[in-house]
Amino acid sequence: DTGVSQDPRHKITKRGQNVTFRCDPISEHNRLYWYRQTLGQGPEFLTYFQNEAQLEKSRLLSDRFSAERPKGSFSTLEIQRTEQGDSAMYLCASSSYAGGPETQYFGPGTRLLVL
Amino acid sequence: RKEVEQDPGPFNVPEGATVAFNCTYSNSASQSFFWYRQDCRKEPKLLMSVYSSGNEDGRFTAQLNRASQYISLLIRDSKLSDSATYLCVVALKSSYDKVIFGPGTSLSVIP
Repeated sequence: DTGVSQDPRHKITKRGQNVTFRCDPISEHNRLYWYRQTLGQGPEFLTYFQNEAQLEKSRLLSDRFSAERPKGSFSTLEIQRTEQGDSAMYLCASSSYAGGPETQYFGPGTRLLVL
Repeated sequence: RKEVEQDPGPFNVPEGATVAFNCTYSNSASQSFFWYRQDCRKEPKLLMSVYSSGNEDGRFTAQLNRASQYISLLIRDSKLSDSATYLCVVALKSSYDKVIFGPGTSLSVIP
């Protein structure tokens, strides 16, 4: 399968714990996006990378959230000191950007539950 | 006002019906428009881009009205497999530099 993969698919944690999610984009895709989706809502943009550079972060991304894409391939999203409000589906998407509109391909998501 | 708004739904329609989804956006600088489909507990997938002149892909027709800041999706001869949530997506530049998803409209096609 050469699509976007995310790991883990599900994560249950206690409030105050740190969690880290991984996203492996489609090979050679230069852009990688992180979104958060809660029930009944569309995905909310969190941040994105072009190669290894983090180009934009949403104001939704508090200082407890950090994302990296160290070698321009896979990316990690870490949430420190999790809160119950962090419970959501975290979606990763990748695309091949060449200066115009491009299609984003989404991974299956990581569903986080903070108890 | 939310940046992207959609019909609240859900829409429940019989097989073969024609159904239309509406979407409005608030930022007149928006340049790229898309419809995504999301099946229950699955990831969103691109259904079609929306061009200024309108575009059609089989049973699906997308329209854009920049003056009214309005996008529509028409599904003709609906199938059971069309049951999903349809997400309107707006991007500020001619890329995905700032992407905003609408809340989605749920469609159930009933036999």
